[in-house]
Amino acid sequence: AQSVTQLDSQVPVFEEAPVELRCNYSSSVSVYLFWYVQYPNQGLQLLLKYLSGSTLVESINGFEAEFNKSQTSFHLRKPSVHISDTAEYFCAVTLSGGSYIPTFGRGTSLIVHP
Amino acid sequence: DAGVIQSPRHEVTEMGQEVTLRCKPISGHDYLFWYRQTMMRGLELLIYFNNNVPIDDSGMPEDRFSAKMPNASFSTLKIQPSEPRDSAVYFCASSLEPEETQYFGPGTRLLVL
Repeated sequence: AQSVTQLDSQVPVFEEAPVELRCNYSSSVSVYLFWYVQYPNQGLQLLLKYLSGSTLVESINGFEAEFNKSQTSFHLRKPSVHISDTAEYFCAVTLSGGSYIPTFGRGTSLIVHP
Repeated sequence: DAGVIQSPRHEVTEMGQEVTLRCKPISGHDYLFWYRQTMMRGLELLIYFNNNVPIDDSGMPEDRFSAKMPNASFSTLKIQPSEPRDSAVYFCASSLEPEETQYFGPGTRLLVL
């Protein structure tokens, strides 16, 4: 079975600073990887995902994540954060090519200070 | 599509009462998931369905919890009797395929006094 570890439970950062939210997974087979974002008092929504192809995937609001197979990582980055990026971020992994459901990490709370 | 719809959005009840949470998945999605989110335990998968059939209920905490999906457009999660430790936000999500993107509802915030 796959598992996912989000190494930081909370990441405080100042507005316009860069940020990286770390995600590592454990699986010996091909995987699909996801980042979801949860704004206060809302459900989770997909931010970006890696299924195949280019290892660098981007979201419409400036986030990007890179699939690194050798390090089994899928870290989320943004070069300059905004106050509105304050939210909980969840990494999820699932095995590709079968009826496997995603496993979610514990989440990382990104807190952007003015 | 209106997305995944959950009701009620908030529920306050007393210990021992029955609680029923409702979910309408996105039309055409064959998979439906129920999650519970708390500060202590994070996001927990309780149960999921494929084509209205429960596939894995190993996350259901105990016999007080039950879930049904009588048709493709409706599911319920019932807690009977409720206890204060059941206080949490309960999410319903749906997807086209099991490994694909899940679409979450806004959640039901449950408080058991």
